[in-house]
Amino acid sequence: GENVEQHPSTLSVQEGDSAVIKCTYSDSASNYFPWYKQELGKRPQLIIDIRSNVGEKKDQRIAVTLNKTAKHFSLHITETQPEDSAVYFCAANSGGGADGLTFGKGTHLIIQP
Amino acid sequence: NAGVTQTPKFQVLKTGQSMTLQCAQDMNHEYMSWYRQDPGMGLRLIHYSVGAGITDQGEVPNGYNVSRSTTEDFPLRLLSAAPSQTSVYFCASRRGLAGTDTQYFGPGTRLTVL
Repeated sequence: GENVEQHPSTLSVQEGDSAVIKCTYSDSASNYFPWYKQELGKRPQLIIDIRSNVGEKKDQRIAVTLNKTAKHFSLHITETQPEDSAVYFCAANSGGGADGLTFGKGTHLIIQP
Repeated sequence: NAGVTQTPKFQVLKTGQSMTLQCAQDMNHEYMSWYRQDPGMGLRLIHYSVGAGITDQGEVPNGYNVSRSTTEDFPLRLLSAAPSQTSVYFCASRRGLAGTDTQYFGPGTRLTVL
């Protein structure tokens, strides 16, 4: 089955700086890669996703890049703000079929004032 | 449109007790699933369903049963709770069976087994 590795587990950046979180996956048939943000005690919320027919997608301060050859994808947050502090999870689908998502173990992003 | 709802929000059980975690969605989604979230482990898939009457196992199915009698509801049953099942449980749904559809999560149930 799919295996998703996520790094780093904790990331501390100064407010206004950029943050990058990286994930690798194992199943070459995976074709959907969402990123979720989870605040303490809340449900995971989708912030951006990418499908394998594109290499990059942007939404304001957030961008995701995908390298299918190397089987890795990354989340980029620019001009970080205090409200960006949360745990971020990457995920990949399993073979594009009915199976659920396989998640990375999460990155705790801390924005230092 | 309430989205994905779960009850209860919190539950404390004793070892050996049984209970059902409820999940419902009002978006007419075909696909529903259950995940558990443990510290440092991310979310792991327990069971999923691709439609009424059809369920299958995920990564960590042992100790859990599911059924799907309607499109809207997907309850998760713990037959004999164990301390290892202490976790936060999230139900999720997505519109179709294609693995590229957006998945939406419920608010979660925090379960403690003593």
